[in-house]
Amino acid sequence: GEDVEQSLFLSVREGDSSVINCTYTDSSSTYLYWYKQEPGAGLQLLTYIFSNMDMKQDQRLTVLLNKKDKHLSLRIADTQTGDSAIYFCAETPGGSSNTGKLIFGQGTTLQVKP
Amino acid sequence: EAGVAQSPRYKIIEKRQSVAFWCNPISGHATLYWYQQILGQGPKLLIQFQNNGVVDDSQLPKDRFSAERLKGVDSTLKIQPAKLEDSAVYLCASSLFLNPGGPYNSPLHFGNGTRLTVT
Repeated sequence: GEDVEQSLFLSVREGDSSVINCTYTDSSSTYLYWYKQEPGAGLQLLTYIFSNMDMKQDQRLTVLLNKKDKHLSLRIADTQTGDSAIYFCAETPGGSSNTGKLIFGQGTTLQVKP
Repeated sequence: EAGVAQSPRYKIIEKRQSVAFWCNPISGHATLYWYQQILGQGPKLLIQFQNNGVVDDSQLPKDRFSAERLKGVDSTLKIQPAKLEDSAVYLCASSLFLNPGGPYNSPLHFGNGTRLTVT
């Protein structure tokens, strides 16, 4: 089946790096995504990685993918108070389940302390 | 480009009443999704449209929920009658196209959602 798991909470100091982790079960996933949700808002696409890559960097964001362990992580360098939000990991199921839909984890709340 | 528009932003109803939500996707986006996000959880897909046809409604509680996408653009999601457990944020998303089994990336773009409270 398709399942995505995340740790629920992470607290860091401003200026430190944040690492948010995610595991998934579908070995045929094609794309994996990170979305950010601020209070009262919808989900904002942050970045994504194709399943044949193991790393992608985009300014302060670094995505690492370990396909063997089905583990995805998002590193935010120089974390700012504006990064405080809920971060969702999501996968696009592969094979016959691939309809373009996303399967989301339960979200990790990132708290950034000044 | 204009984003995904949803209305209303908030709705409070009593159980057993009916409610409807509206979504206008990004212009040119063929695929439209309705997700339900219960407090403290990740979004869960209710129904997915490709143009005006249903691709996936396996998680839609069809005894009380219905959705349509007339003319392949705007969509409405209806709940009748509502239950207490329907309290959630209803998110609409759209993507450029559907490419089953293919590697082409077509990320979902979300609206701000409708927060429904059933009392």
